[in-house]
Amino acid sequence: EAQVTQNPRYLITVTGKKLTVTCSQNMNHEYMSWYRQDPGLGLRQIYYSMNVEVTDKGDVPEGYKVSRKEKRNFPLILESPSPNQTSLYFCASSWSGVYQPQHFGDGTRLSIL
Amino acid sequence: DQQVKQNSPSLSVQEGRISILNCDYTNSMFDYFLWYKKYPAEGPTFLISISSIKDKNEDGRFTVFLNKSAKHLSLHIVPSQPGDSAVYFCAASVDSGNTPLVFGKGTRLSVIA
Repeated sequence: EAQVTQNPRYLITVTGKKLTVTCSQNMNHEYMSWYRQDPGLGLRQIYYSMNVEVTDKGDVPEGYKVSRKEKRNFPLILESPSPNQTSLYFCASSWSGVYQPQHFGDGTRLSIL
Repeated sequence: DQQVKQNSPSLSVQEGRISILNCDYTNSMFDYFLWYKKYPAEGPTFLISISSIKDKNEDGRFTVFLNKSAKHLSLHIVPSQPGDSAVYFCAASVDSGNTPLVFGKGTRLSVIA
């Protein structure tokens, strides 16, 4: 089954404790991206990647890091999480860029206390 | 500065009638537009797209219209069904490939039986 898998689905943690949200896709997609969804703000893009070792900043990259060492994986790293990063996060992938339909994961709800 | 605006946070429509969701944008460089639908507790799913070389694109009950001079697009759903009740996001990009994707804040559609 074609899917984008995010882990964990839920996480409550404390300010400053490094965390990683993993994202993996099994469709051999070139393009992968991370978004956050906040009430009243819609979806905002954090980072995106067109291929291995190629990553670019989206709208709201501050406080986040990503890596693309393998085509299928695109982890989101919060080195020193803060409460303003409490949000619902989505990973997505598509064949070859933003105009191809993106397949989204089911989301990761992060709470930073 | 919000580049993609969905000015109606919510919309209610009777089953069987037409639903019209609107989206305005400010960046004249946007050439590619997409609509995504999101149910609670799920990731967004792709609905329909249009590029600036066209002014209309249809897929079954869904039609997207683009008016580049007015920087406006709309999504028409005919006939509306209760299963269409969801949050709809408009998104835009300047290129089809490795480029940022900018989303609106979303419109919550409720189709009443």
